[in-house]
Amino acid sequence: NAGVTQTPKFRILKIGQSMTLQCTQDMNHNYMYWYRQDPGMGLKLIYYSVGAGITDKGEVPNGYNVSRSTTEDFPLRLELAAPSQTSVYFCASSVLTGTPNTEAFFGQGTRLTVV
Amino acid sequence: AQKITQTQPGMFVQEKEAVTLDCTYDTSDPSYGLFWYKQPSSGEMIFLIYQGSYDQQNATEGRYSLNFQKARKSANLVISASQLGDSAMYFCAMRGWAADSWGKLQFGAGTQVVVTP
Repeated sequence: NAGVTQTPKFRILKIGQSMTLQCTQDMNHNYMYWYRQDPGMGLKLIYYSVGAGITDKGEVPNGYNVSRSTTEDFPLRLELAAPSQTSVYFCASSVLTGTPNTEAFFGQGTRLTVV
Repeated sequence: AQKITQTQPGMFVQEKEAVTLDCTYDTSDPSYGLFWYKQPSSGEMIFLIYQGSYDQQNATEGRYSLNFQKARKSANLVISASQLGDSAMYFCAMRGWAADSWGKLQFGAGTQVVVTP
């Protein structure tokens, strides 16, 4: 059972470079989320999606872009990387069909360092 | 807008004792869900327990129970009979269920728990 898969697991970027963090889930979940977690801190919501073609901003969307062309995939794009984007990024997914009661399943995270 | 607050940055607890982790929240949504997750030092996020805003009974799941006080907007996690493996970061989270927060899942800052022998 793959669940939520994130790639890469680690990445070092130079300031100003761009990259895409990949996230795919095989559970046919409609909701998907991207979070960042700075050291010793909580998870901050970057973007989320309620289904293919529908995305919305979370708490900290600046500097990031997302798209959701399929149910399975929810890539996160970093344009012009900055040191402030050094963090661990988590992707998560849920199935929601009318109540808020299902838990989110998380990927293993991507540790990104911008130097 | 919804907000989750965890005011205890860290706690020490002795093995076999119970510990209560505080979580307060603020939302205008009439329906919402509250979650607790555990993050060990290895970094993965582990779901522990869920409480719905309309649930009449407090949720329990093994050694975890949720002390839900809707009027006070609090959803405290109680871990009974602590074990060394309970040492981890614990996060409270809320999912709103209204037009401007449909399915949005937001987390508190977390509480670091250290269980000592």
